[in-house]
Amino acid sequence: QVQLVQSGTEVKKPGASVKVSCKTSGYTFSNYGISWVRQAPGQGLEWMGWVSADSGNTNYAQKFQGRVTMTTDTSTSTAYMDLRSLRSDDTAVYYCARDSYYHSSGLYPDWGQGTRVTVSS
Amino acid sequence: EIVLTQSPGTLSLSPGERATLSCRASQSVRSSYLAWYQQNPGQAPRLLIYGASSRATGIPDRFSGSGSGTDFTLTISRLEPEDFAVYYCQQYGSSPWTFGQGTKVEIK
Repeated sequence: QVQLVQSGTEVKKPGASVKVSCKTSGYTFSNYGISWVRQAPGQGLEWMGWVSADSGNTNYAQKFQGRVTMTTDTSTSTAYMDLRSLRSDDTAVYYCARDSYYHSSGLYPDWGQGTRVTVSS
Repeated sequence: EIVLTQSPGTLSLSPGERATLSCRASQSVRSSYLAWYQQNPGQAPRLLIYGASSRATGIPDRFSGSGSGTDFTLTISRLEPEDFAVYYCQQYGSSPWTFGQGTKVEIK
């Protein structure tokens, strides 16, 4: 079955960077993409962007452009999301979700379990 | 970007009752690319409905979606204990994909 397993909880200081991983199994990683969605405490969901697993093509939400980098490692079927210049309002649970190959479909039947990132001085 | 407004914020109902959740878009959602997700505390969202009215794999038929343009509805015909959760609508017709703020269905 499709599984996406994310890295563990992170605590960072303002201005630092965080890199969250998403290791996948149960499907052919290079035939799909990965999107990242975050959820601030008690808030709704926010789409951050998409990366194609094989080509490395990306599409970032304008809000995060210049501050986020999404990459993949096809040898380990793992996707990564790197967010820089962290602020307190980046405190959230970050989810990866399986997406389409050529572009983000925006439809997510398969999700990781989430990674809690806390930004605090 | 398209803003989705869900109502009500909280719905207090008893098991067996019918739940009707609303999602209104700030502009027309292309091709009815509207989805609904269910989320329980501490868990990832679960896809229920896509294309406004198609049930995702394994979703019971007590869940149904309807609507087009700017107004969409999720209906749960008879609430089961496991249905008490937060529900989000999402549009995936115009990038960036956006979500509503959620409707909490709680036990009355």
